[in-house]
Amino acid sequence: EAGVAQSPRYKIIEKRQSVAFWCNPISGHATLYWYQQILGQGPKLLIQFQNNGVVDDSQLPKDRFSAERLKGVDSTLKIQPAKLEDSAVYLCASSLDGGYYNSPLHFGNGTRLTVT
Amino acid sequence: AQSVTQLDSQVPVFEEAPVELRCNYSSSVSVYLFWYVQYPNQGLQLLLKYLSGSTLVKGINGFEAEFNKSQTSFHLRKPSVHISDTAEYFCAASPGNTGKLIFGQGTTLQVKP
Repeated sequence: EAGVAQSPRYKIIEKRQSVAFWCNPISGHATLYWYQQILGQGPKLLIQFQNNGVVDDSQLPKDRFSAERLKGVDSTLKIQPAKLEDSAVYLCASSLDGGYYNSPLHFGNGTRLTVT
Repeated sequence: AQSVTQLDSQVPVFEEAPVELRCNYSSSVSVYLFWYVQYPNQGLQLLLKYLSGSTLVKGINGFEAEFNKSQTSFHLRKPSVHISDTAEYFCAASPGNTGKLIFGQGTTLQVKP
C-alpha cells in the first residue's frame, strides 16, 4: 500500500511569513495526526482528526496554527505568522481507526521547516 | 500527565555487540508502549508495541523489549547489532487506546565497525 504522503519536503521562510503543509494519509485511514518534532526532541502531537472532525487540538497554538481536513481525506496545516521557534519537522501520521489493535500509526517522511 | 524518559541520549556500540536502550514511563491506569525507529530524513517506523499479554515483545529487525510494570520500564534490546541499525530510536506511551502518543526525547544508536 502507498504510504503517508507529505509535501513539501523542505521549506525555508522568514519569520512573520505564512506557510502551509499538505498530507495525504493512507487510503481508508479514518484518523489523521499532525506532530511537531523540534531538533533533539521527540515528536509532540499538535492535532488529531477522526474523519473530518477534530478529536484533540489541546496542544495546537491556535493563535498562529490552524489545520483542516475538510473531506475527511487529506489535510493541511498552516502557520501564520511563523516564529523562529516553529523551526521543526512536521510529521503527518494516519491510522485505520485511531486505536492500536487494528493498525499502528503510519508516519510520513515529514516537512522540515526552517524559519529565519 | 503521562511522560516518557529515555535515559541515554547517545549509545555508541561496536558491530555485533549487544545493545540496550532504556526507557521509563510515568505510571498510568493502563498504558500502551511502543518503540519507533527513525532513519535520517525519514518518518518513524514502528519496531514493536506492548498492548497487553506477554511482557516480552518481539519486533522487527531482531529487536525485543520487556515491559516491567513494577519498574515502569520498557527497555529495548538487540543481541547483535549491525551497521544498518544506526538511527534514532524513540520510546512512546499512550494512556489508552487513543492513538495519542507521548514520545521520549530519543536515543541515537551509533554502531561502529
